[in-house]
Amino acid sequence: IAGITQAPTSQILAAGRRMTLRCTQDMRHNAMYWYRQDLGLGLRLIHYSNTAGTTGKGEVPDGYSVSRANTDDFPLTLASAVPSQTSVYFCASSETGYTEAFFGQGTRLTVV
Amino acid sequence: DAKTTQPNSMESNEEEPVHLPCNHSTISGTDYIHWYRQLPSQGPEYVIHGLTSNVNNRMASLAIAEDRKSSTLILHRATLRDAAVYYCILSSNDYKLSFGAGTTVTVRA
Repeated sequence: IAGITQAPTSQILAAGRRMTLRCTQDMRHNAMYWYRQDLGLGLRLIHYSNTAGTTGKGEVPDGYSVSRANTDDFPLTLASAVPSQTSVYFCASSETGYTEAFFGQGTRLTVV
Repeated sequence: DAKTTQPNSMESNEEEPVHLPCNHSTISGTDYIHWYRQLPSQGPEYVIHGLTSNVNNRMASLAIAEDRKSSTLILHRATLRDAAVYYCILSSNDYKLSFGAGTTVTVRA
């Protein structure tokens, strides 16, 4: 059972470049989330989706976009990366807003 | 969004219980109390959750105050593998799980 799969595991990206972080779940969960975690800090919600076809903004959505074309996939796009977007990005999913969330292993992104 | 307050850090000896407090004085009637932990270089891992009654599972116990304004996560016998950052979170139907700084638990051998 894979659970949540994120790709790539890590990436070094030049500032100004476009980048899409991929996230796939095989649990048929309705809700999916993207978080970023800066060094030594807690996780901050970027965007979420409570069902396929709908998305919502979290605490720090600026500079990021998401789409939810189907249940399984929830890609996060940085249209024009900046160094302040250097972080570890975690994708997660849950059946509902009340149930346990499952997290991926993260994507370590460095923008130079 | 309802917020939680946790101590920055706690230490424990191996094989001893660990009691992690969490205050959530602005909790609403439909908020669930969730606990997650994050081991070094890993994504967060679900530990336990509850609404009003105390809960037990293979990993831990959750004791919820009668007024629901505080809760305590109990690790019954700490092991070195329990060293992690523990997050207390309130979940609601707005899908916005909000992680604070959490409590860093250190386990001494």
